[in-house]
Amino acid sequence: DIQMTQSPSALSASVGGRVTITCRASQKTSNYLSWYQQKPGKAPKLLIYGASRLRGGVPSRFSGSGSGTHFTLTIINLQPEDFATYYCQQRWTFGQGTKVEI
Amino acid sequence: QVQLIQSGAEVKKPGASVKVSCRVSGYSLTELSVHWVRQTPGKGLEWLGGFEPVDGKTIYAEKFQGRITMTEDTSRDTASMFLRGLTPEDTAVYYCATFIWAMDYFDNWGQGTLVTVSS
Repeated sequence: DIQMTQSPSALSASVGGRVTITCRASQKTSNYLSWYQQKPGKAPKLLIYGASRLRGGVPSRFSGSGSGTHFTLTIINLQPEDFATYYCQQRWTFGQGTKVEI
Repeated sequence: QVQLIQSGAEVKKPGASVKVSCRVSGYSLTELSVHWVRQTPGKGLEWLGGFEPVDGKTIYAEKFQGRITMTEDTSRDTASMFLRGLTPEDTAVYYCATFIWAMDYFDNWGQGTLVTVSS
């Protein structure tokens, strides 16, 4: 089974700052890599699919890139509402999550 | 706009079974592929299974084969997940979500159902 490894598991950032989260696959995958945001007590929310396609309504400060085994989620100009946990997903496998804290 | 509305929290004893329901509104269930994902503090997000429209069958994660059943009542636009032989390790929040097969992502999610297994 494919494994998805996210790094870091947690990070601290500031409002207005920039963060990059990495997701590595244990073997070469399709570019059908998605990113989700989850806030406490809420369901995950789709941000990006197809590695780099922004879901409608998601702010453009979120972006995704990568291919093969290495994918990244970048958030620029961090807003207070962006402090959450982020997960990558490739078909049936999720990464373990990255908590973005102030 | 698809909305998924799940049934309420459950408390079960070890060895029992649980049923979690997911009602779809805004679309017909026949137009969607509903899947189930659970979340535990220890193992994060874990896919359980869901509907595969090409073959018209339900597929299950190997780990849960024989212990899980997913059904759909299209007349009520409701999907259900039955999990048997519960252990404390099944304590989790269970989500239903629509899966987009064209690009392999979970589009819309239910609000989650907490299932607690405790003696």
